[in-house]
Amino acid sequence: NAGVTQTPKFRILKIGQSMTLQCAQDMNHNYMYWYRQDPGMGLKLIYYSVGAGITDKGEVPNGYNVSRSTTEDFPLRLELAAPSQTSVYFCASTRRGQGAGQPQHFGDGTRLSIL
Amino acid sequence: AQSVTQLGSHVSVSEGALVLLRCNYSSSVPPYLFWYVQYPNQGLQLLLKYTSAATLVKGINGFEAEFKKSETSFHLTKPSAHMRDAAEYFCAVSTYNNNDMRFGAGTRLTVKP
Repeated sequence: NAGVTQTPKFRILKIGQSMTLQCAQDMNHNYMYWYRQDPGMGLKLIYYSVGAGITDKGEVPNGYNVSRSTTEDFPLRLELAAPSQTSVYFCASTRRGQGAGQPQHFGDGTRLSIL
Repeated sequence: AQSVTQLGSHVSVSEGALVLLRCNYSSSVPPYLFWYVQYPNQGLQLLLKYTSAATLVKGINGFEAEFKKSETSFHLTKPSAHMRDAAEYFCAVSTYNNNDMRFGAGTRLTVKP
């Protein structure tokens, strides 16, 4: 089973460039999430989606955009890359509505450096 | 909103020694609590979860955690550390009426031979 797949695994961007981080899950999960992980800070939620066509902001949404046109895919877009967006980005998914406290399933991350 | 605090950003133990990683939570409604492990260059993997059933929860790789409501704690333990347990561990909390999960800052576990 593929689970949650993120591409690319690594990327270096120049300041002001744009890019899209891809995330796909094959578990028919309705909820999907984007986090960023900075050293000593844990994971901070950027955006999340509770189903196709529905997205909402998390704790740190500034500088990012998302869309959810299908159940499977949840891309994250950086429009004008800034050095503060250098981080490791994780996509996660879960199935809500099937019992209490379903865990989130994570991809392997995208390591992004902005120079 | 709910939150978790992990006490100690780094914990070092000798191989064979007890592992104790501390997590305290804050939530105005009954919480769901999770421990995840992250190995280098990988995503987070679920170790165990508490969802209001038994207060002592057993997970993978010999880890367990006990939910203590009176202390608002969910500490992770393992009786005997192995070298392969060296990783970063995250405590997380969610609730039935919330769409997201909040993570602690993480605790890096080092196991000395």
